[in-house]
Amino acid sequence: NAGVTQTPKFQVLKTGQSMTLQCAQDMNHNSMYWYRQDPGMGLRLIYYSASEGTTDKGEVPNGYNVSRLNKREFSLRLESAAPSQTSVYFCASSPRTVNDQPQHFGDGTRLSIL
Amino acid sequence: SQQGEEDPQALSIQEGENATMNCSYKTSINNLQWYRQNSGRGLVHLILIRSNEREKHSGRLRVTLDTSKKSSSLLITASRAADTASYFCATVLGNNRLAFGKGNQVVVIP
Repeated sequence: NAGVTQTPKFQVLKTGQSMTLQCAQDMNHNSMYWYRQDPGMGLRLIYYSASEGTTDKGEVPNGYNVSRLNKREFSLRLESAAPSQTSVYFCASSPRTVNDQPQHFGDGTRLSIL
Repeated sequence: SQQGEEDPQALSIQEGENATMNCSYKTSINNLQWYRQNSGRGLVHLILIRSNEREKHSGRLRVTLDTSKKSSSLLITASRAADTASYFCATVLGNNRLAFGKGNQVVVIP
């Protein structure tokens, strides 16, 4: 049982390049999330998808786009990468977006922008 | 903005000792969650405590919640080297999104 799978695990980009981070879950969860984790900042929500077909902005959406491809997959795209987007990106899922649902996390994508 | 704020930020203890960390939050909550993150891994959910609960146990974990002080504590009893990790509290924002604290790093020395 894989849970939440993120690809790639590591990536180095040059400023201005584009990239899509992939996330898939096999738990039949309705809700999915993208976070970034920076030293001393904790986790900050970038975008989330409450259910298939819907997406909403989180705390730090600028510079990112998302696609909820189907119930299983939720991708995060950087159209023109900037050094400020160097971070560790985590995808998470939960059965639904209600406040008593624990979130299940992938192991992250470590992204460096040069 | 971060809803939760853990205190202390870093803790180093000997194996077998207890580790206590605290979390404060700013607004009313329905529940508060604690997560663990091992180095290089994603977060793992540990325990959820509802606003009408004062204490909850799960194995060697004990969580308390004081809604009047807007604070929660996580106690790990009889710590093990495998408990070395960062611990985060999380509360729910009005639109059902989780807001995480900045984390509390615990190092258990064998």
